[in-house]
Amino acid sequence: AQSVSQHNHHVILSEAASLELGCNYSYGGTVNLFWYVQYPGQHLQLLLKYFSGDPLVKGIKGFEAEFIKSKFSFNLRKPSVQWSDTAEYFCAVIYNTDKLIFGTGTRLQVFP
Amino acid sequence: EAQVTQNPRYLITVTGKKLTVTCSQNMNHEYMSWYRQDPGLGLRQIYYSMNVEVTDKGDVPEGYKVSRKEKRNFPLILESPSPNQTSLYFCASSPSRVAVAGYTFGSGTRLTVV
Repeated sequence: AQSVSQHNHHVILSEAASLELGCNYSYGGTVNLFWYVQYPGQHLQLLLKYFSGDPLVKGIKGFEAEFIKSKFSFNLRKPSVQWSDTAEYFCAVIYNTDKLIFGTGTRLQVFP
Repeated sequence: EAQVTQNPRYLITVTGKKLTVTCSQNMNHEYMSWYRQDPGLGLRQIYYSMNVEVTDKGDVPEGYKVSRKEKRNFPLILESPSPNQTSLYFCASSPSRVAVAGYTFGSGTRLTVV
């Protein structure tokens, strides 16, 4: 079955630390990949997306993600996190259809 | 401003009392969808619609109904709510069947069924 896994459920970092959140998806042919962010009490917002081309994708607020096809992964990275990055992060995949499948989310807490 | 509007933001109701959560988008999007978000489970799709009068079940449709009589509106109906439907609900829309631009989400409706 098509699925998305986010292995880090809760990540705690200090400001200026580097961030990498894992995302793996099950094999299913052509995929479109997304990272969404949900700030406390708010709706989901698109951080970045990958459809084709350069596997290193840059998004908003200094985030980037790398698509590694051989590993079925699309990990999210940021070199230096800020307190304002405290949020929940969702990886999501579309497999050849219009259905967006979400991972279970990773809660990030950044302390000053 | 392009947006997806959900109402109400918060709702507390009793078991069995029918309710409707409205969703409206002003972007002329064809595709609309409802999700529920529960701790540790992420977002799960309830129903989706690819255009007017075209709806289909998602992963967790039991206990819910939807309709798409107009392109802009996609209400979620709970005919007889139960406590296990206590959740945070999001409506989303996208321009077309293949969500090239990603989805636009509403602000959410936090529903509590007692």
